[in-house]
Amino acid sequence: NAGVTQTPKFQVLKTGQSMTLQCAQDMNHEYMSWYRQDPGMGLRLIHYSVGAGITDQGEVPNGYNVSRSTTEDFPLRLLSAAPSQTSVYFCASSWEGNGYTFGSGTRLTVV
Amino acid sequence: AQTVTQSQPEMSVQEAETVTLSCTYDTSESDYYLFWYKQPPSRQMILVIRQEAYKQQNATENRFSVNFQKAAKSFSLKISDSQLGDAAMYFCAYSAMDSNYQLIWGAGTKLIIKP
Repeated sequence: NAGVTQTPKFQVLKTGQSMTLQCAQDMNHEYMSWYRQDPGMGLRLIHYSVGAGITDQGEVPNGYNVSRSTTEDFPLRLLSAAPSQTSVYFCASSWEGNGYTFGSGTRLTVV
Repeated sequence: AQTVTQSQPEMSVQEAETVTLSCTYDTSESDYYLFWYKQPPSRQMILVIRQEAYKQQNATENRFSVNFQKAAKSFSLKISDSQLGDAAMYFCAYSAMDSNYQLIWGAGTKLIIKP
């Protein structure tokens, strides 16, 4: 049982580059979310989805896009990377109030 | 709006002793869920324990238990027989249907285990 799989684990981007962080879950969870965690801080919600085809913005959505074409996958796109987007990114999935299962994170550095 | 407050930025406990981490929350909902998550230095977020608001019985998972006081909107985590591997950031979180089950997080408590 893989749970939530995030790729890549580490990434270095140059300012202005774009990339997609991948997230896949194999638990048939409806709810999926993307968070960022800056050093010494808690998690901040970027975007979330309540099912295939349905997404919504979280607390810090600017500079990021998401789509949910299948139940399993929820990729996060950085449109034009900025140093302020240097962070650790977590994907998570849940079945309603059962509690979220988190991926192991992607450490992104933008230079 | 719902809020979650953890008033203890840092706690320390002697190995094998018991420690309690505090969490309070504010909501007007009657049906919701509360969670404690652990984030060790590896940064993996791990669900420690979950409480459903409509259940009066306090949740327990091995050495971890909660004291859920619904009227007081309090949700504390007790760790018994503390082990070195318990050292981590602990986050209290809330979710409910009215907010699409998105987690609302406390600021976290850093737990230090003294050998």
